[in-house]
This record gives sequence, structure tokens and C-alpha cells, in this order.
Amino acid sequence: GQQVMQIPQYQHVQEGEDFTTYCNSSTTLSNIQWYKQRPGGHPVFLIQLVKSGEVKKQKRLTFQFGEAKKNSSLHITATQTTDVGTYFCAGTPGTYKYIFGTGTRLKVLA
Amino acid sequence: NAGVTQTPKFRILKIGQSMTLQCTQDMNHNYMYWYRQDPGMGLKLIYYSVGAGITDKGEVPNGYNVSRSTTEDFPLRLELAAPSQTSVYFCASGASGEEQFFGPGTRLTVL
Repeated sequence: GQQVMQIPQYQHVQEGEDFTTYCNSSTTLSNIQWYKQRPGGHPVFLIQLVKSGEVKKQKRLTFQFGEAKKNSSLHITATQTTDVGTYFCAGTPGTYKYIFGTGTRLKVLA
Repeated sequence: NAGVTQTPKFRILKIGQSMTLQCTQDMNHNYMYWYRQDPGMGLKLIYYSVGAGITDKGEVPNGYNVSRSTTEDFPLRLELAAPSQTSVYFCASGASGEEQFFGPGTRLTVL
């Protein structure tokens, strides 16, 4: 079945450093979504990518969708303590059955 | 708009007991999902629904049942609870190909 892996599993950074998490799917995706989950909270939608090679930015966050639509990345520039949490990608080969990645837990040291 | 609501917030079950986790959304979304999240892990899809009367299995459906009699409600039934079902359960809803809105979760412990 479809599998979605993320690396790294954990990342500790000093405040102000950059951070990147990578998402890899075993199958071609029609779209990919990114979510953030704060400790003790629920996942909150960040963005959706649909087109091959698509790049989207949200302030300090940059999201990319691979040319083959099987991988994606999230890059945070100059991390802040408010960026702490776990970042998940979620992909679907269709339109509604999403498989979540394993997540990357980010800790930011002040 | 309340969004996605889940009840209860917490529950402790004994092995072999049954319970229903409630999920309601007021955004008129066709798609609804149940996920479980084990401690320190990702989300696993249990069941999903693309509309009233239509449900389908996700990655980990064993030990669970669902129904979707209305657009708003998508209850998850646990029969014969087992310790392996200790987890946080999230319900989510969304429109086709759009973001998923998650409820606050139900933290279930089976002892």
C-alpha cells in the first residue's frame, strides 16, 4: 500500500537557524498537504501543493512539490520558538484518501 | 461555526468494553475521516466517508466500525476494546481536494 516517509524524525535547532523536513511517497500523488501540530494539540492545515514542481511561500516557510510528484519539502528560514511542533505531510493519489507522513518533530532552543 | 467537535475529550475503558466516539461538523463537508495517533507517532487513517451513507476502510480499520447517516455526524464505534487501541483519536472533515479541519481529539486509554 501507499507509504509516506518523512526525514528527519527529530530536529533540534538554535533559534535563528534554518530547518528543513523532507517527505517521500512510494506512489505518485495528485496533491500533498502540510500540517503543523503543536504539543498536545490537533493538526492544523498549512498549505496544499498540486502542480509538479510547485513552490509556495508563507512568510518564513517555503514549500516545494517535486517534479515527479512523489516528494515534497518544507523549509523554515530563521526559526523562532513559535515554530516548535511536529510537521506532517499528507498525500493522496486521488482526492480524498490521505496518508500522513511519519512527521518531523522540531524543537527550537532559545 | 463550531467547526469539528468531538466527544468525549477523555475516556478510560476496561478491556472488552465498547464505546462510541462522537464527531460532528457544521461546515457541510462531504468528506470525513477518523485517524488515530499513538504517542510520538504519525496519524493513521482508520475509516473515511465521502458522503452520507458511504464509508470505506483506511489503513487500520480492524476493531472499529463507522456509520454516516447524516452529513454532519460520523461516529466511530469500538467493539471489545483492547490495550492496543489506547491512542488519541482525531476526527477531520473537508471538501473534495481541500484542507482537512481537525477536531480537538479524544484521548482513550484501555486498561
